[in-house]
Amino acid sequence: DQQVKQNSPSLSVQEGRISILNCDYTNSMFDYFLWYKKYPAEGPTFLISISSIKDKNEDGRFTVFLNKSAKHLSLHIVPSQPGDSAVYFCAAYSGAGSYQLTFGKGTKLSVIP
Amino acid sequence: EAQVTQNPRYLITVTGKKLTVTCSQNMNHEYMSWYRQDPGLGLRQIYYSMNVEVTDKGDVPEGYKVSRKEKRNFPLILESPSPNQTSLYFCASRQSLQETQYFGPGTRLLVL
Repeated sequence: DQQVKQNSPSLSVQEGRISILNCDYTNSMFDYFLWYKKYPAEGPTFLISISSIKDKNEDGRFTVFLNKSAKHLSLHIVPSQPGDSAVYFCAAYSGAGSYQLTFGKGTKLSVIP
Repeated sequence: EAQVTQNPRYLITVTGKKLTVTCSQNMNHEYMSWYRQDPGLGLRQIYYSMNVEVTDKGDVPEGYKVSRKEKRNFPLILESPSPNQTSLYFCASRQSLQETQYFGPGTRLLVL
């Protein structure tokens, strides 16, 4: 049973436009969410996170929105740049004392110059 | 430079031949994990460790062993590799539960 779902395997966006990557989760115990970015031949790198006590977190061009009632989060990248082309993974922790980080399958973002 | 290193980066082996993938971090992190990445399945946690001599199973532990004798090292052991363990493996570490997790560069394993 997949607890973190990224239903879009790929997304193409024009440079300068907004990229919106979506993530849904089923486990109501998840209370901390992260986005990772992965380039080919490299390990994932942390991008941005959000706690369940917030509904928005912003860091430069990256904003994550959390809708707890819908069990949905999204990553917005504005403006999109060609260097943002990568695979983006959504991940979640389930509460204090949890050591397991559950990942989604990833969305491959292509930013077209 | 803060980093997680893995060795080897690439490995081709045959079914049944024991192998070890090493992982080392220089950040004095308490928590370390191993993941495998497969097409269409994302990253799945194999094992994790909360501290020296403390390890536990993740989502897909079958066929793997780990050990944590020192804080900086967390080797992944495949006692009898099988073709279904062909995958891309990542080691990761973090200082506390909700701190940023740092990933190694990955080890691509092919089991024939």
